[in-house]
Amino acid sequence: KQEVTQIPAALSVPEGENLVLNCSFTDSAIYNLQWFRQDPGKGLTSLLLIQSSQREQTSGRLNASLDKSSGRSTLYIAASQPGDSATYLCASSPSVYGNKLVFGAGTILRVKS
Amino acid sequence: KAGVTQTPRYLIKTRGQQVTLSCSPISGHRSVSWYQQTPGQGLQFLFEYFSETQRNKGNFPGRFSGRQFSNSRSEMNVSTLELGDSALYLCATGTGMNTEAFFGQGTRLTVV
Repeated sequence: KQEVTQIPAALSVPEGENLVLNCSFTDSAIYNLQWFRQDPGKGLTSLLLIQSSQREQTSGRLNASLDKSSGRSTLYIAASQPGDSATYLCASSPSVYGNKLVFGAGTILRVKS
Repeated sequence: KAGVTQTPRYLIKTRGQQVTLSCSPISGHRSVSWYQQTPGQGLQFLFEYFSETQRNKGNFPGRFSGRQFSNSRSEMNVSTLELGDSALYLCATGTGMNTEAFFGQGTRLTVV
């Protein structure tokens, strides 16, 4: 059974700092890994999708990497801003058959101005 | 391009009642998945529909059911509501297998 863990559970940083969020998964046989952000009481916004054959993806100030052999993914946020404050969730797709996602518990990020 | 639409946004129901939630996918998306989010359990997968067929199912009791229509819109139904069913219910849609998932804003269900 796939389990996804996110570290740290919460993070508070000053504006402008670069930061790294970590995600680990127990079963390396994943088909993709996706990072999302969630604002309080809202739905999830897709940030980056990394297919199993890829090592990283970039979008603006965000960079996500995937190392299947070690069961890890990281989300790097450059030059953090107060608007980045949210909960960040990673999710793995453990099956080639369908779109079932297994989520971590998330990292609550607060960027202080 | 319209996003994923979930209705209603908020619901208050009494224990024992049943409820139906709706999810309209992004145009062209044929896969619809449902998730339950609670503070204690986080996001948990309920089930997925693709071309009107249930393709995956999570570990939830039979009180939770769903269906998908020919236009890809999906509904989930919860019968005999319990207090523990209070949660944010999210649907996600995609084009096929292992593609990027796009989420709706969710339906906040409160059972009293």
